[in-house]
Amino acid sequence: NAGVTQTPKFQVLKTGQSMTLQCAQDMNHNSMYWYRQDPGMGLRLIYYSASEGTTDKGEVPNGYNVSRLNKREFSLRLESAAPSQTSVYFCASSDLGPNYGYTFGSGTRLTVV
Amino acid sequence: ELKVEQNPLFLSMQEGKNYTIYCNYSTTSDRLYWYRQDPGKSLESLFVLLSNGAVKQEGRLMASLDTKARLSTLHITAAVHDLSATYFCAVVGGGGADGLTFGKGTHLIIQP
Repeated sequence: NAGVTQTPKFQVLKTGQSMTLQCAQDMNHNSMYWYRQDPGMGLRLIYYSASEGTTDKGEVPNGYNVSRLNKREFSLRLESAAPSQTSVYFCASSDLGPNYGYTFGSGTRLTVV
Repeated sequence: ELKVEQNPLFLSMQEGKNYTIYCNYSTTSDRLYWYRQDPGKSLESLFVLLSNGAVKQEGRLMASLDTKARLSTLHITAAVHDLSATYFCAVVGGGGADGLTFGKGTHLIIQP
């Protein structure tokens, strides 16, 4: 049972380059999320998807786009990376059943130079 | 706008001592979560608190929730070095739908 899988684990980009962070879950969860974590800031929600085919902005969506490809996969795209996007990115999914659990991926550490 | 505040943000304590981390939130929410994060790792779920007066315990950690005061506490009893980590509380709401809004975290160092 893999849970939430993120790729890649590490990435270095030059300013202006683009890339897509991939996330997949195998728990049949409806909701998926992308967060970024910066030192001293906790985690902040970038985008979320309450179900397949829907996406909505979170607290810090500027500079990002997302795609909910199917129920399992939720990708995050940086069209033109900026140094301010240097961060650790976490994908998560949630079970709104009795456990109300959120499962987090292992994270992607992104550096933009 | 939902805000979640933790204090303290940094705590250094000795093994064997007791201490409490506080989590205040600004608007009504029906779910509160506590997570642990080790350096360079992902978040590990500790507790889910779903109702007023809820209390959960796991080993040396105990969490409680007072929805009227919008306050949760994470109490550490007889701390051991292995509990050194960063602890986050998070509340449902504010981030859209059922997204979590996190506190900034409490960096806990337990010294032998």
